[in-house]
Amino acid sequence: GALVYQYPRRTICKSGTSMRMECQAVGFQATSVAWYRQSPQKTFELIALSTVNSAIKYEQNFTQEKFPISHPNLSFSSMTVLNAYLEDRGLYLCGARDLRTSGNTLYFGEGSRLIVV
Amino acid sequence: AQKVTQTQTSISVVEKTTVTMDCVYETRDSSYFLFWYKQTASGEIVFLIRQDSYKKENATVGHYSLNFQKPKSSIGLIITATQIEDSAVYFCAMRPNMGYKLTFGTGTSLLVDP
Repeated sequence: GALVYQYPRRTICKSGTSMRMECQAVGFQATSVAWYRQSPQKTFELIALSTVNSAIKYEQNFTQEKFPISHPNLSFSSMTVLNAYLEDRGLYLCGARDLRTSGNTLYFGEGSRLIVV
Repeated sequence: AQKVTQTQTSISVVEKTTVTMDCVYETRDSSYFLFWYKQTASGEIVFLIRQDSYKKENATVGHYSLNFQKPKSSIGLIITATQIEDSAVYFCAMRPNMGYKLTFGTGTSLLVDP
């Protein structure tokens, strides 16, 4: 079955520092990777969508300058939260699917929790 | 814009019983996908089951099944023979066929007691 691994699972960082998180797809090819943030109130926000061989599409209120994303191959993606502050805390989730096999289901990893102190 | 609404914030059931969780959605798209995920205590989001809007038959996977009522824009999740391990937060979500954004509901917390 499709599996998505994310690491680190949890990071505590000082205000103003950065956190990088990685996402690995196993058992399928992640042609499309979506990065979400789940707030402490449990609501989900889409940060950006990355599709191999296409430009990364950021949602309103999220920028490449703040959340740079790399998607170098069909099994790996990473995202960094630069200059993290309190409002950036939450659970960051990587969701991946294989567009080429008409994969309509997004499979998520375990999430990377960012705690800012 | 899509909207997904889960009105039940929490449900408590006894083990081995059946539970139904409600979800209604709003969309202008004629073709879309509906999903149920559960989030475990560790934060992991686990895909459970999907309903394609063009399919009339209710999807079933293991002890999960869906009650898809398209005219009511409703996609309820039914869990039969609940187990303690089913305790989690359940999220309903939808995505337009031609879109990429998955819109989530606010979640329903399920507690299964022995």
